[in-house]
Amino acid sequence: DQQVKQNSPSLSVQEGRISILNCDYTNSMFDYFLWYKKYPAEGPTFLISISSIKDKNEDGRFTVFLNKSAKHLSLHIVPSQPGDSAVYFCAASAPRNYGQNFVFGPGTRLSVLP
Amino acid sequence: DTAVSQTPKYLVTQMGNDKSIKCEQNLGHDTMYWYKQDSKKFLKIMFSYNNKELIINETVPNRFSPKSPDKAHLNLHINSLELGDSAVYFCASSLKGRQLNEKLFFGSGTQLSVL
Repeated sequence: DQQVKQNSPSLSVQEGRISILNCDYTNSMFDYFLWYKKYPAEGPTFLISISSIKDKNEDGRFTVFLNKSAKHLSLHIVPSQPGDSAVYFCAASAPRNYGQNFVFGPGTRLSVLP
Repeated sequence: DTAVSQTPKYLVTQMGNDKSIKCEQNLGHDTMYWYKQDSKKFLKIMFSYNNKELIINETVPNRFSPKSPDKAHLNLHINSLELGDSAVYFCASSLKGRQLNEKLFFGSGTQLSVL
């Protein structure tokens, strides 16, 4: 039962162009969403987040869009750089009385070609 | 300075053995976690501790026992290792563990291979 889905296992983009990574979720209780980036042999590192009260959050080259009615979010990277090549995980959490339980998607491998 | 460090990075062992993975964070966070990345690459939570108290335990076999001697450490002990335990195990921490807009800080992972 995948509550967070990333249906594209991989994506290739030319350097300088836009990368769009997609994420869908099924649990309507999720109210906080994050994107993590992972290089080989390293742990995931936080990239950007958005709460359900917003539909857009921007940080430099990275923008996350949230469409609650469609239960869909996307990460835009503009312009894409070779150093952005990594696996990107979408994660979501729902309110709990105690303890955060972040549910992760399976990741999308982004390759930015020079 | 590594914020969340876990050892060892690689662990190769025989079925039936008992092994431990250690994790330490120097961020002053209250909450620590163990996640397992399985063969399908999903990151799934196993345990979460807040100030040495177990707060999340997600249907993990009893062979897995977390130990938190203090809030900066969360170790994972695995008894009677099975082939299906082979995976990458990530330790993580977050500031409080129960506030909105928190984020996880991950260690670099431990690749466990059970032969």
